[in-house]
Amino acid sequence: QKEVEQDPGPLSVPEGAIVSLNCTYSNSAFQYFMWYRQYSRKGPELLMYTYSSGNKEDGRFTAQVDKSSKYISLFIRDSQPSDSATYLCAMNTGGFKTIFGAGTRLFVKA
Amino acid sequence: EAGVAQSPRYKIIEKRQSVAFWCNPISGHATLYWYQQILGQGPKLLIQFQNNGVVDDSQLPKDRFSAERLKGVDSTLKIQPAKLEDSAVYLCASSLETGGFQTQYFGPGTRLLVL
Repeated sequence: QKEVEQDPGPLSVPEGAIVSLNCTYSNSAFQYFMWYRQYSRKGPELLMYTYSSGNKEDGRFTAQVDKSSKYISLFIRDSQPSDSATYLCAMNTGGFKTIFGAGTRLFVKA
Repeated sequence: EAGVAQSPRYKIIEKRQSVAFWCNPISGHATLYWYQQILGQGPKLLIQFQNNGVVDDSQLPKDRFSAERLKGVDSTLKIQPAKLEDSAVYLCASSLETGGFQTQYFGPGTRLLVL
């Protein structure tokens, strides 16, 4: 079993839709939960991070962590074609190593 | 602020040849990471440096891969000899420090194709 599982998609939605991206994990020691966005032929860039459980909102993006279920989500409201990218979840125990999910490819159609 | 620089951007080699990648991190960043990203997968950490010391190289195939970070700034990653399964994007990232939550800033990557 992988430490971090993420559905690779692709996920295709119309412009303006609410997008839900999810990851599950098996290591209960993870404390830091991150979402990276990766455009084609670019390196990943950090979108948001959350420490422990709870929600965090930044503009159209909301990150949720449910440690009891070992499940994290990223919601994108009013999705735009410019949101089309691969979204990677990533997790860290507070130590040296960050573990990345496989990434979900998102297409937002105009 | 300049980002993480990597070169070359693309490289095509034949199996059993050698190849080297170069990374220049963001100025002042103590920690440098090399990741391997195979198509359809997330980045996998190969090696992590804190200044010029190795923090973690547990997933580096040491029989063929080597990396160094002389003077704690630039870094090179070498593969010798290359195998078909080494075809991937090699990402370099840097962060201010090590441990806990650290924002990692990624370069554009070097896309390697081994024929």
